[in-house]
Amino acid sequence: DAKTTQPPSMDCAEGRAANLPCNHSTISGNEYVYWYRQIHSQGPQYIIHGLKNNETNEMASLIITEDRKSSTLILPHATLRDTAVYYCIVIPSNAGNMLTFGGGTRLMVKP
Amino acid sequence: KAGVTQTPRYLIKTRGQQVTLSCSPISGHRSVSWYQQTPGQGLQFLFEYFSETQRNKGNFPGRFSGRQFSNSRSEMNVSTLELGDSALYLCASSLDLAGDNEQFFGPGTRLTVL
Repeated sequence: DAKTTQPPSMDCAEGRAANLPCNHSTISGNEYVYWYRQIHSQGPQYIIHGLKNNETNEMASLIITEDRKSSTLILPHATLRDTAVYYCIVIPSNAGNMLTFGGGTRLMVKP
Repeated sequence: KAGVTQTPRYLIKTRGQQVTLSCSPISGHRSVSWYQQTPGQGLQFLFEYFSETQRNKGNFPGRFSGRQFSNSRSEMNVSTLELGDSALYLCASSLDLAGDNEQFFGPGTRLTVL
């Protein structure tokens, strides 16, 4: 499975957009990019996923580069409740639901 | 609809004992996965069950086992507990095994081994 690289921590001002990068340079053609987040002491929460195209839902936008080697999760208007650890995970389309969590990015949203 | 439920939420055991944790997936979900989270190792995949069969297994010793019932509910068991087994155990459910499915996590069971 492709491995991912994320910055260990980031800060963002409340109300501003949070842009979280993820590098997955060894991704294969059939692997999805998933984003989950974990707020302290809670179970991880699904945010968004994509294969090739950019995706948007009520929580966030996912921008995947044309070569698929990196992606960016965008929280358009970060709030204090978005303070969490964000995980970028690559998962094959035909290998079940095993998620391999790395260290993630600890996002701190500040007032 | 109800989310993923895990019981018990907290558990204290002593070394050498065994423990069984339970997970009830979202209604209609047939895949259940288990994860262990510790401060040192982070979130690690334990195993995944689908249609009462183990489909994937992580790199954990044989003391860790699980099963899934016909109603998709799942249990995991840890025998001969060690201090290092103290962790948050998370269960996640998904519709099926396709990689294009989001997983829904439960609140976890916090196990403390003394």
